[in-house]
Amino acid sequence: GDSVTQMEGPVTLSEEAFLTINCTYTATGYPSLFWYVQYPGEGLQLLLKATKADDKGSNKGFEATYRKETTSFHLEKGSVQVSDSAVYFCALSDLSYIPTFGRGTSLIVHP
Amino acid sequence: GAVVSQHPSRVICKSGTSVKIECRSLDFQATTMFWYRQFPKQSLMLMATSNEGSKATYEQGVEKDKFLINHASLTLSTLTVTSAHPEDSSFYICSASLAGVYEQYFGPGTRLTVT
Repeated sequence: GDSVTQMEGPVTLSEEAFLTINCTYTATGYPSLFWYVQYPGEGLQLLLKATKADDKGSNKGFEATYRKETTSFHLEKGSVQVSDSAVYFCALSDLSYIPTFGRGTSLIVHP
Repeated sequence: GAVVSQHPSRVICKSGTSVKIECRSLDFQATTMFWYRQFPKQSLMLMATSNEGSKATYEQGVEKDKFLINHASLTLSTLTVTSAHPEDSSFYICSASLAGVYEQYFGPGTRLTVT
């Protein structure tokens, strides 16, 4: 079955540092890929998405590129802010429309 | 657009009682709704998938008689935790999706505490 693997957290960075959160997936076919963000005490929000190979999703300074050859969808941001502190989930959806989530990576940004 | 609400946001109930959580899509018709349970240290567990007007499809290991899901309309799904026990205490999150759209729109979650 489908699966998503994210790097374990927490990831702790200083403000303005570069962020990478790794995500790899296993799926049959060509799934759509997503990053969701969860702020403390809240539900998840869609951060960005990519629906086909080589697509780059971007939002709020975050980017991720759908790499079919490496089955990856790593999340990056050039300069993180304290307000980016949250839990980030990588996810995929295939033709069944039933989502598969990674375990989440907590990001802590210090001033 | 694509706002999903949940009610209540927090609920405390006594062991043995039942509690109902509502999930509503406010500005769109959700063909499919999903219910998740979030455990400490973040991981999301998909409990069930529900389509309007049909029975929910439960994931393996989720007791359908304990976690009753009703999806009576295109804008409302409910999760009822029956005969709740302290181990049912958790953060429950719903999400909704549109027909033919892969992304999901999440509710803000409900914190259930069973005493």
